[in-house]
Amino acid sequence: NAGVTQTPKFRILKIGQSMTLQCTQDMNHNYMYWYRQDPGMGLKLIYYSVGAGITDKGEVPNGYNVSRSTTEDFPLRLELAAPSQTSVYFCASSIQGGGNTEAFFGQGTRLTVV
Amino acid sequence: AQRVTQPEKLLSVFKGAPVELKCNYSYSGSPELFWYVQYSRQRLQLLLRHISRESIKGFTADLNKGETSFHLKKPFAQEEDSAMYYCALSGGNTGTASKLTFGTGTRLQVTL
Repeated sequence: NAGVTQTPKFRILKIGQSMTLQCTQDMNHNYMYWYRQDPGMGLKLIYYSVGAGITDKGEVPNGYNVSRSTTEDFPLRLELAAPSQTSVYFCASSIQGGGNTEAFFGQGTRLTVV
Repeated sequence: AQRVTQPEKLLSVFKGAPVELKCNYSYSGSPELFWYVQYSRQRLQLLLRHISRESIKGFTADLNKGETSFHLKKPFAQEEDSAMYYCALSGGNTGTASKLTFGTGTRLQVTL
């Protein structure tokens, strides 16, 4: 039972490079989320999706793009990497919406932009 | 805007001592509150949510709307409780995404 799987676990990018952080879940959850966590800070929501084909911005979407072509996958794209995007990225999913729903998290991707 | 505050970055206690991890929130509506925990080399996972009113691994948390607090408590700390604890708030309604606002986290260190 894999749950939420993120790849890669670590990555170093040069300024201006692009990359895609992969996230896949095998729990058939409709809702998926991307958070970032800067050192000493809480997680902040970047983007989320309520189902295949539907995405929306969270609190800190600038510099990122997402797509949701299938229920399982929710990749996060960085087009022009900047040092400010150095962070740990977490993907999460939930079976339903609503305030009381448990979120299931991936193990995170540690990204450094130099 | 919703906000979650965890005033302590680090809480160090002796094994067997009581534990209280503080969490205060700011939200104009009726919040749903959670405690998530991250053990060393493991992923972030739900510890408990206020609506369940249950005790998990000996931990409890009571929502105090008057003080806008949701402190996490355990009467006797164990070594295996050492972890990073995050308080989180969701203001979503049924049918909307469960978007969480997290506090900055408190590292609990239980020593012998």
